[in-house]
Amino acid sequence: DAGITQSPRHKVTETGTPVTLRCHQTENHRYMYWYRQDPGHGLRLIHYSYGVKDTDKGEVSDGYSVSRSKTEDFLLTLESATSSQTSVYFCAIKFGTGVIGPNTEAFFGQGTRLTVV
Amino acid sequence: QKEVEQNSGPLSVPEGAIASLNCTYSDRVSQSFFWYRQYSGKSPELIMSIYSNGDKEDGRFTAQLNKASQYVSLLIRDSQPSDSATYLCAVNAPYNQGGKLIFGQGTELSVKP
Repeated sequence: DAGITQSPRHKVTETGTPVTLRCHQTENHRYMYWYRQDPGHGLRLIHYSYGVKDTDKGEVSDGYSVSRSKTEDFLLTLESATSSQTSVYFCAIKFGTGVIGPNTEAFFGQGTRLTVV
Repeated sequence: QKEVEQNSGPLSVPEGAIASLNCTYSDRVSQSFFWYRQYSGKSPELIMSIYSNGDKEDGRFTAQLNKASQYVSLLIRDSQPSDSATYLCAVNAPYNQGGKLIFGQGTELSVKP
């Protein structure tokens, strides 16, 4: 258990509504990531954070925003949910961002299943 | 060309056999490679990491890395029905990309009793 908690675990929302997913970690790791997982696409990076208030876009960031006001919390917001954002969302943490070695390993939260109707 | 490619499967092997899972990657400067196991409805779980050419063994699992061929593989010996899952290959992005992991699509493994 890497001390990662995602909430909510399941959510159904209507098209056009804003939705916020939360990732909470207890181990003070600097690096946090949001991925989405869809059949046929594997895990795709949405946004990541390398420190408080330091965030950057991943490969599928359109329609999403993130915030990190505290080390332990990384929030993912769907500004106006669409059916194409129906997915399973995973948060991940890493000890570091070296290019080689154990600090490059990532650990995942339990996931949030989001359905947009 | 996708950055990390895996055969999606499903790969079906009988109990007790060796399961061989393969992965290729496109970025030659990548240096850290990982295998994750994901059971249906669960989150990915790290089972192996490998950083240098050759083999790395951990119990029934062996990861193999060939940087010249840009190829990573995972062998599971004495496969058990409990090994039935999707196996995800991941590659650490080169530096200055936030340390992100790039994933393949995953290979679904089914071990038949």
